[in-house]
Amino acid sequence: AQKITQTQPGMFVQEKEAVTLDCTYDTSDQSYGLFWYKQPSSGEMIFLIYQGSYDEQNATEGRYSLNFQKARKSANLVISASQLGDSAMYFCAMREGYDNAGNMLTFGGGTRLMVKP
Amino acid sequence: EPEVTQTPSHQVTQMGQEVILRCVPISNHLYFYWYRQILGQKVEFLVSFYNNEISEKSEIFDDQFSVERPDGSNFTLKIRSTKLEDSAMYFCASRPGSVRRLRSGNTIYFGEGSWLTVV
Repeated sequence: AQKITQTQPGMFVQEKEAVTLDCTYDTSDQSYGLFWYKQPSSGEMIFLIYQGSYDEQNATEGRYSLNFQKARKSANLVISASQLGDSAMYFCAMREGYDNAGNMLTFGGGTRLMVKP
Repeated sequence: EPEVTQTPSHQVTQMGQEVILRCVPISNHLYFYWYRQILGQKVEFLVSFYNNEISEKSEIFDDQFSVERPDGSNFTLKIRSTKLEDSAMYFCASRPGSVRRLRSGNTIYFGEGSWLTVV
């Protein structure tokens, strides 16, 4: 089974509107972390937001928020007020195990977001 | 803001040649990683490094690969004899040490990547 599933290979959103990128995960660990990264066409991986499995509140970072639904094992990224510069590939990733371990990230297949002017 | 830096940004090499990709992780970070992304595919874990030794590696990281932290700042990935299928973007990443319940302590920062093309 896939550990991280992103079901939307591509999405369009109108500039200034909000968009939700879906991510579901599969783990039997009680402690894990969920990450979202942005990859523009230039190729670099830019960290956006992190949610720990024990965090009671949804993470927020500026225009980014993470809709964490633990029982459903979903960690959707919400981008508010989309901008043209948000057009990129977005990856959801998971780290299993405790915070103090150098555990690897497992990535989903990504969602390509295109913002229309 | 501190960042992970990687060199070269792009390298073309002949099949069978040795390649060394270099990375300078964020200073005071303790965990270091190499990932790769074949064009159009997922980002895949290669290896993690902590306390001057490999802590975890994937099936991809076979005997052709090695990592080294030769001094206090650099972290290198060596591919001994490159194959066509090694063509990919290689990402170095780092994170701080054990800082439980501190959100920033869990963040893994990636470099801008090194494009490797094997011909």
